[in-house]
Amino acid sequence: GDSVTQMEGPVTLSEEAFLTINCTYTATGYPSLFWYVQYPGEGLQLLLKATKADDKGSNKGFEATYRKETTSFHLEKGSVQVSDSAVYFCALSDRGNQFYFGTGTSLTVIP
Amino acid sequence: DTAVSQTPKYLVTQMGNDKSIKCEQNLGHDTMYWYKQDSKKFLKIMFSYNNKELIINETVPNRFSPKSPDKAHLNLHINSLELGDSAVYFCASSQGPAGNTIYFGEGSWLTVV
Repeated sequence: GDSVTQMEGPVTLSEEAFLTINCTYTATGYPSLFWYVQYPGEGLQLLLKATKADDKGSNKGFEATYRKETTSFHLEKGSVQVSDSAVYFCALSDRGNQFYFGTGTSLTVIP
Repeated sequence: DTAVSQTPKYLVTQMGNDKSIKCEQNLGHDTMYWYKQDSKKFLKIMFSYNNKELIINETVPNRFSPKSPDKAHLNLHINSLELGDSAVYFCASSQGPAGNTIYFGEGSWLTVV
């Protein structure tokens, strides 16, 4: 079945460091791919999405490119801030209205 | 203004009690979900309704019973609460075929003592 695997955390970075959170997926069709962010004490919010191969999603300085050849959707940001501290979830949506979430990666950015 | 709202946000209750969590979405979506998030932040789908019809019913104890009176509401009733039910429960909604964004509520923090 469809699934998402993302790198385990926790990840701790200094402010202005480069961030990569790896995400790979398994799907039989052509899923849409998402990154969600969960700030402490809050629900999940959509960060970015991509609906077809080679699409790049971007928002708030974060980017991820839908790579069909490597079945990946890695999240990157060039310079993280303390306010980026949160849990990040990779997810895919198949044609059956089913969403599959990764296990989440906790990011802490220290000043 | 809140797109997906759920109540209560915090709930502390004793083992054996019955409790309900309510959810409403004002986005006009046709699909609603309940997710459970454990202490390690792992998200697990519990139920999904499309136009008031149950379409996903994962392996969840039958003490958990969802009810969708209309497509804008999906409530979760839990009977005979157990310690292991302590978690954060998220309601969510989406529209139409797969690929559309899923929108989450703020979560309901349930603690069973």
